[in-house]
Order: sequence, then structure tokens, then C-alpha cells
Amino acid sequence: EPEVTQTPSHQVTQMGQEVILRCVPISNHLYFYWYRQILGQKVEFLVSFYNNEISEKSEIFDDQFSVERPDGSNFTLKIRSTKLEDSAMYFCASRGTGNQPQHFGDGTRLSIL
Amino acid sequence: SQQGEEDPQALSIQEGENATMNCSYKTSINNLQWYRQNSGRGLVHLILIRSNEREKHSGRLRVTLDTSKKSSSLLITASRAADTASYFCATDYSGTYKYIFGTGTRLKVLA
Repeated sequence: EPEVTQTPSHQVTQMGQEVILRCVPISNHLYFYWYRQILGQKVEFLVSFYNNEISEKSEIFDDQFSVERPDGSNFTLKIRSTKLEDSAMYFCASRGTGNQPQHFGDGTRLSIL
Repeated sequence: SQQGEEDPQALSIQEGENATMNCSYKTSINNLQWYRQNSGRGLVHLILIRSNEREKHSGRLRVTLDTSKKSSSLLITASRAADTASYFCATDYSGTYKYIFGTGTRLKVLA
């Protein structure tokens, strides 16, 4: 069964550095999402992306964050000037058209030191 | 707030027993989904129930949806130790592109 893949599985970065989290959504999906989950807390929506533009973003998704679909397969989340509180699991998800479920990757654990 | 809430927050049962988890939400939805998350892993989709559906089954899972009460329940029958995980509901609110996740229920099935 096709799946969403995320790399790296774990990223350790110094505070203030930039990170890029990568995702390969399921190939025929058109809607893409990023979520984060701080340890022990609920999964929080960050941003949705469709037709090469952001459809919706949460208040968490400020100017520090950006998303890109640089080619036909990758979907990336960039976090500039990382802060300690950015430490979390970041999940990518994708879905097809219609009333279909979102499929999630295994996540990238981001640790900011 | 559009946040969903699950209850109970934690549930511990013996293998073979049934487990019931509930989810409440605040505004009208397109659909509601249940996900499972094993510790430190990703979210595995279990069942999607549309707003015009009232009940759905998948193997040992049964999901109900009551839109008048803005609530859903997930029943796992004949539980197994491998069912130990956190279970989340996620709602797809009408007119939005985002999913709102509940706080989750941590299920522990004792062998």
C-alpha cells in the first residue's frame, strides 16, 4: 500500500539554525499538510497546501515557517531561526480528492539544542 | 474553540474486554476520523465516518457518530495487547482544509 515517507526520522539542530523537513506524499494525492506534536500533547495543525499554494494555516505557522513543493514529489517544511520550543514531532500528511482520509507519515522528531 | 476532546484520557482493560472511547467536537463537520498512534510513531488511519453516516464497522472496530450531540465513539471489541496505543479523533470542519485533533485516549490492554 502506498505511504507517506518523511526524512529524516530525527533531526538535531542548534537553536537559531534553519531546518528543512522533507516529505514524499502519496503519488496521486493533491492535498498536503504539516502537523506537529509536542511531546505528550495533541497533534496540532500547521498548514494545508493545494494547487501549489497554502490553503490554510494556523496561528502557529508564522513567518518563521514556510512550505514548498519544489518538484512533483517532495513537500518540504522549512523552519528558519529555530527556537527551543520548536522541538516536536512533525508529521506530514496527504489525501486524495473528495471525502478521503489523510494519510500520515511516521514523522520527523526535531530536537533543538 | 474547535478542538475535539476525547474521554476517557486513559483506559486500562484486560485482554478480551471491549474498549470504548468518546470524542466530542464543537461545530459542523464534513467527516470525522479515528487514528491510532503507537508510542513515538506516526498516526495510522482507522476509520472515516461521514457526517451523513451514523455507524461504521471495520473488523473489530465500530464507530458511531451523533451529529445532534456532536459526538462520536470508537468501540474496540475483544481487545488484544497489540491494541495498546493512543487513539485520536480528528474532525474535518465544514469549509476548512484542516483537521482538528482531539486530546486522545491512551489505551492499555493488559495480557
